[in-house]
Amino acid sequence: AQKVTQAQTEISVVEKEDVTLDCVYETRDTTYYLFWYKQPPSGELVFLIRRNSFDEQNEISGRYSWNFQKSTSSFNFTITASQVVDSAVYFCALSGPLIGTASKLTFGTGTRLQVTL
Amino acid sequence: DTGVSQDPRHKITKRGQNVTFRCDPISEHNRLYWYRQTLGQGPEFLTYFQNEAQLEKSRLLSDRFSAERPKGSFSTLEIQRTEQGDSAMYLCASSLSGFTSGRSSYEQYFGPGTRLTVT
Repeated sequence: AQKVTQAQTEISVVEKEDVTLDCVYETRDTTYYLFWYKQPPSGELVFLIRRNSFDEQNEISGRYSWNFQKSTSSFNFTITASQVVDSAVYFCALSGPLIGTASKLTFGTGTRLQVTL
Repeated sequence: DTGVSQDPRHKITKRGQNVTFRCDPISEHNRLYWYRQTLGQGPEFLTYFQNEAQLEKSRLLSDRFSAERPKGSFSTLEIQRTEQGDSAMYLCASSLSGFTSGRSSYEQYFGPGTRLTVT
């Protein structure tokens, strides 16, 4: 069975602070994929990133960066210089190999990020 | 460039009534998923279609739930004899198993959801 744990229920930061959202996962698959989605107040889930289990290189996209560590089964997400528009619920998700039914996503419970001025 | 659309966006129904939701995926996407999200939780997988074939149903999907995807295009999710516990946001997502220009493959793109309230 697959499981994703996001232990941080809610985080509040002041604009321009850096913030890291934690994600820990469990899976028996040797090939798997990790995702982050953003759910703003409007409700629609927005895809942010996908990483596969064989690629542990950290990734940076603008103010966003992701740290994948297989040894600790973690896939953490850092927002640098946070902005009010970053306020949302962020979900970490896991899938098996992207073949057929294994492609379904298992989500964590989400971390609500509140960025204030 | 249209994304995934869902209709209706909101539905209020009385317990015991039947409801049907529709999802229109991104046009070239062959995979379609339904998820359910309750307040304060992440989305939970309900069912999956590859083209018109329904390949997996979660244990969450009781006999009162049925989903179809005729002709491998839009999909419908029907709930019969609704219960208050069915109140949730029902999310549809689509993806492409392959490569195409302009969009990443395999990523699931979500619609805005249908919020169901059963009174």
